[in-house]
This record gives sequence, structure tokens and C-alpha cells, in this order.
Amino acid sequence: KAGVTQTPRYLIKTRGQQVTLSCSPISGHRSVSWYQQTPGQGLQFLFEYFSETQRNKGNFPGRFSGRQFSNSRSEMNVSTLELGDSALYLCASSLSSRRTEAFFGQGTRLTVV
Amino acid sequence: AQTVTQSQPEMSVQEAETVTLSCTYDTSESDYYLFWYKQPPSRQMILVIRQEAYKQQNATENRFSVNFQKAAKSFSLKISDSQLGDAAMYFCAYYALGNEKLTFGTGTRLTIIP
Repeated sequence: KAGVTQTPRYLIKTRGQQVTLSCSPISGHRSVSWYQQTPGQGLQFLFEYFSETQRNKGNFPGRFSGRQFSNSRSEMNVSTLELGDSALYLCASSLSSRRTEAFFGQGTRLTVV
Repeated sequence: AQTVTQSQPEMSVQEAETVTLSCTYDTSESDYYLFWYKQPPSRQMILVIRQEAYKQQNATENRFSVNFQKAAKSFSLKISDSQLGDAAMYFCAYYALGNEKLTFGTGTRLTIIP
């Protein structure tokens, strides 16, 4: 069974641009979560989707948004990029609404210049 | 709000020896889960071990075991017979049902000395 796939693996963007990151969960998994990892702030929760509905959102500005499709694939979008958005963005999938294990992808390394 | 604290930024251990990584957490919930994740240089977070709060028995996965002290809100990870491949960042994480998110500690960087 394939793991969680995140694309692209690396991305370089300019301040003010927008970016879309993609996450394909493990087959059969319906919950997808997104996390931002930086040296200064550590791992921070962005949002979680289950069956195309956002169930929880972290403390991030409205420039950060996401969505989930009917096949459980998820995208997150960051608009008007700032230098501080440079980070490793991790996606995790889990089986059900009462998940107990999250499986992570390898992440997308975003650099904003 | 739930918080997870890892007080050891770095730890080192001789190959084949045993090491214990510490984690404490704060919560008012009664139904929750605790995890240890490993993040090697490849950056992928790998689940090491899981503990359900309602279970008194400590979880064990091969060379990895936990010491779960619910009253003290402590959740330490013991790695026995340390191997070079165990070198990584280790994150303690908390999940409460209904909260739909993992709360992570700041991590402990583990170095294995050959």
C-alpha cells in the first residue's frame, strides 16, 4: 500500500506570490491534516479535513487555506507569501474520524525569497 | 490548552546501550492518546509507539517501550540496544478525541555514538 504522497518536494517562491501544495493520503484514509514545521516554532497544526469538511483549524492567518476532494486528496494554499512562510509543510493521513494513528508524508520544503 | 514539553533538546547514547527520552504534558481531558514520532534526516515523521490513556499497561514495540505515568502526566520513551539507525529527532505528541489535531513537543535530537 502506497504511503502519503506530497508534491512537490521542494518549492522556491517569491514574496507576494501564492503557492499550492498537494497531499494524497493512504488509500482508504479519509482524514488529512497539515502541519508547518520551522526551527523557531516547531510543529504547528494548520488544519484538518475529513470527508471534504474542515473540522479544525490552527492559529494561522487567512492567507492559509485548504480543501479536500471527494477522493480524499487535499491541497493547501498560501497566498501573498511572506519570508516567514518558509518551512517544511507536512501532511498526515489517518483512517477514520476516531483516528489514533497519523501517517506522514515526506513533506514539501517551501522557501520564500 | 494542551501542551507537550520535552526538556531534553539533545541526548546521546553509546551504540547498544539504553536511553530514555522524557516528555510531560498538560491536559484536562480524560480520553486521549500519546505518541512518539521519529524524524530522521529524510524529514519523514515515522510513528514509533502509541499509548492510549485509558490503558494502564505500558506500550512496547520491539526495542521501544514507554513509561506512562498518567497521574504525573509523564510519558517517557526508552530505547534499548540503541542502533545507529535510531539517530533522529524524536517528538512526543498528544491527541485528544474531538480535537482532531496532534500537539507536538519541541523534540529531542538523539545521537548514537559508535
